[in-house]
Amino acid sequence: GENVEQHPSTLSVQEGDSAVIKCTYSDSASNYFPWYKQELGKGPQLIIDIRSNVGEKKDQRIAVTLNKTAKHFSLHITETQPEDSAVYFCAATGGADGLTFGKGTHLIIQP
Amino acid sequence: ETGVTQTPRHLVMGMTNKKSLKCEQHLGHNAMYWYKQSAKKPLELMFVYSLEERVENNSVPSRFSPECPNSSHLFLHLHTLQPEDSALYLCASSQDPGQGARGTEAFFGQGTRLTVV
Repeated sequence: GENVEQHPSTLSVQEGDSAVIKCTYSDSASNYFPWYKQELGKGPQLIIDIRSNVGEKKDQRIAVTLNKTAKHFSLHITETQPEDSAVYFCAATGGADGLTFGKGTHLIIQP
Repeated sequence: ETGVTQTPRHLVMGMTNKKSLKCEQHLGHNAMYWYKQSAKKPLELMFVYSLEERVENNSVPSRFSPECPNSSHLFLHLHTLQPEDSALYLCASSQDPGQGARGTEAFFGQGTRLTVV
């Protein structure tokens, strides 16, 4: 089955700086890679996703890159703001077994 | 609001109690999931229902019993739980394309915070 590794587990950045979270996956058949944001007391919320036929996708301050050869994908947040503080999860699926999640990254935005 | 509603939001139960968690989705999806979220662990998939049929049971103990009466509702019946079962239980839904493939975009509810005492 799929195995997803996520790093770092905690990331602290100054407000206005960029944050990068990285994930690797094991199953070369995986073709869909979503990112979720989870705020305290809430369920995970889908913020951006990418499919294997695309190398990069951007939505305002958030971007995701995918390297299929190396089997890794990353979340990039630019111009970070206090409301970006949350736990972020990456996930991967090839469609047969549902989503496999990473362990999460606690992103802290320092004022 | 994601279109997936879970009740109750918080639940404290004794090890001999029987309780049920409820999930309802208003997105017209045909697949629903139960996940367990414990501290410092990845989200663990517990059960999948696609077209109201259970398609996965990832070695979950029998003290957890799912029920899916229709494509919009999902229950998780709990009995004789252990303290280590304390966690956030999340429900999600997606649209499965059929032919055994799982859906991609999954939408989560807010979860039920369960404490077993």
